Amino acid sequence: SQQGEEDPQALSIQEGENATMNCSYKTSINNLQWYRQNSGRGLVHLILIRSNEREKHSGRLRVTLDTSKKSSSLLITASRAADTASYFCATDATAGNKLTFGGGTRVLVKP
Amino acid sequence: KAGVTQTPRYLIKTRGQQVTLSCSPISGHRSVSWYQQTPGQGLQFLFEYFSETQRNKGNFPGRFSGRQFSNSRSEMNVSTLELGDSALYLCASSSTGQGFETQYFGPGTRLLVL
Repeated sequence: SQQGEEDPQALSIQEGENATMNCSYKTSINNLQWYRQNSGRGLVHLILIRSNEREKHSGRLRVTLDTSKKSSSLLITASRAADTASYFCATDATAGNKLTFGGGTRVLVKP
Repeated sequence: KAGVTQTPRYLIKTRGQQVTLSCSPISGHRSVSWYQQTPGQGLQFLFEYFSETQRNKGNFPGRFSGRQFSNSRSEMNVSTLELGDSALYLCASSSTGQGFETQYFGPGTRLLVL
């Protein structure tokens, strides 16, 4: 099974609303990353948070990390139609040798 | 800097054939990773190369192989294609020498096996 599991699998919101998605993982990590993918294209890196960090911001994005619960959340504020995409978390496990992706959250932002 | 490029972008093959996909990383990046993306299994790590050496490998059969050249360009090969190999194959490059930091992805090669 995958290291990261994302919740919800799909999300539909109106433009201007906030979108929150969560990622849970199973083992200790070096870092956790969030990526965006538009309609079957390549992934775009959004933000990286290290295991010793609890919160990070980048523009309209806010990521939190709770290593005690092995979970992370991605908040997109004031969403736009252009934010419509799939969002993936990925973990670099301390005992692993690969970057492991979650199943993704499909976000639809309606104008 | 130019981004990660992958060729070809689309490919149609038949079962039993073999295929070679190419990836050119961002200039200066020495780590290249390959991923397979399918609707059923999601994004799965295939392997990672660093300085012409395979450094990490995912859980894929030996039909999947790769290599990296001295200029950091990488190729992956799939032999004896099966229908289940139909997928989007993504290449990503990274500048780091340790662990998995920010990955810069190419647009992918969409492979259809008939």
